[in-house]
Amino acid sequence: DAKTTQPTSMDCAEGRAANLPCNHSTISGNEYVYWYRQIHSQGPQYIIHGLKNNETNEMASLIITEDRKSSTLILPHATLRDTAVYYCIGLRTGTASKLTFGTGTRLQVTL
Amino acid sequence: NAGVTQTPKFRILKIGQSMTLQCTQDMNHNYMYWYRQDPGMGLKLIYYSVGAGITDKGEVPNGYNVSRSTTEDFPLRLELAAPSQTSVYFCASSESGTVNEQFFGPGTRLTVL
Repeated sequence: DAKTTQPTSMDCAEGRAANLPCNHSTISGNEYVYWYRQIHSQGPQYIIHGLKNNETNEMASLIITEDRKSSTLILPHATLRDTAVYYCIGLRTGTASKLTFGTGTRLQVTL
Repeated sequence: NAGVTQTPKFRILKIGQSMTLQCTQDMNHNYMYWYRQDPGMGLKLIYYSVGAGITDKGEVPNGYNVSRSTTEDFPLRLELAAPSQTSVYFCASSESGTVNEQFFGPGTRLTVL
């Protein structure tokens, strides 16, 4: 599975869009990009995933570059409850796909 | 649905003691996972199961054992606890291995002294 690189931390003002980048330059053609987040002391929570096309759900949007070497998770209107560690994971889907969590990006949403 | 439940929430063990961390899911998921998370680090996979009676090792299996006798339950056994096993343990489940939206439990915080 692809190695991913994320900034250690980011700040965002409440109500503004939070754009979290992720580099995955070694990603292969059959690997998806998954995003999870972990709010303090809780279990991780699935956010979104994509392969090539941009994706949107009720939580966030995922923008994947055309060469698939990087992606951006967008939280359109960040709230204080979005303060968490966000993990970008490259995952080749198959039998018992196993998530590999790095250290992620710590997003701090402030007033 | 309760989702994924874990017991206990907290536990302190002495070196050399044993214990079982319980995990139950009520979503009829075939796939279940155990992770550990050390302070300031990401999660590491200990063991996983693709169905009742089938288990396999993850990245850090040493010092742990699992069993999967039913679809719902996936207990994690620690034999001869060591300080290095001080961690937060998360159980997760997913419907399949292809669409990997994993649902996580609230975690068990274990301290070995």
